[in-house]
Amino acid sequence: SQTIHQWPATLVQPVGSPLSLECTVEGTSNPNLYWYRQAAGRGLQLLFYSVGIGQISSEVPQNLSASRPQDRQFILSSKKLLLSDSGFYLCAWSVWAGGEAFFGQGTRLTVV
Amino acid sequence: AQSVTQLDSQVPVFEEAPVELRCNYSSSVSVYLFWYVQYPNQGLQLLLKYLSGSTLVESINGFEAEFNKSQTSFHLRKPSVHISDTAEYFCAVSANSGGSNYKLTFGKGTLLTVNP
Repeated sequence: SQTIHQWPATLVQPVGSPLSLECTVEGTSNPNLYWYRQAAGRGLQLLFYSVGIGQISSEVPQNLSASRPQDRQFILSSKKLLLSDSGFYLCAWSVWAGGEAFFGQGTRLTVV
Repeated sequence: AQSVTQLDSQVPVFEEAPVELRCNYSSSVSVYLFWYVQYPNQGLQLLLKYLSGSTLVESINGFEAEFNKSQTSFHLRKPSVHISDTAEYFCAVSANSGGSNYKLTFGKGTLLTVNP
């Protein structure tokens, strides 16, 4: 069966520090991969999605970037965190773009 | 472009009462529809989905939703809720965004609170 791993679960980082969140999927190949950010009362905002290795699409301009170095690995990064980057970050995968998405457990990021 | 509107941000109910969480969408093309549930500090879990066929879909824990194309709605219902149903519920729509690309769009969520 397929599983998705996302870590760390919680993270407290100072303003201006770098960020690296990692997500891996097991039990499937060539998944579509997604990074979402969730803010209270604002639902899920799609940040990045990838349909294959090295293929990254950005939905909104921001202080973050994403990379897909391997088929089942998706990384969210920042060179310098801002206070506004705080939030709950969710990684997800699907078999086909726009299809049923399967989510990781999320990372609670607090920038101080 | 598609959009999803969840009409209620919060729905408080008493245990064993019925509940309906409303979801409307806008799209000019055929859609696939989903309801997800999120418990505190966890990821989202798929509750049920409509892809095609019967417009009434059911989950294993007593929830059901009905796709109404004329009303562009996909409301979630349960005839009798439990304390354990307390969670945030997200409606999502997937529609063709051009070519062969589909995009999944989420509503802002409805917090269901079941009180004893």
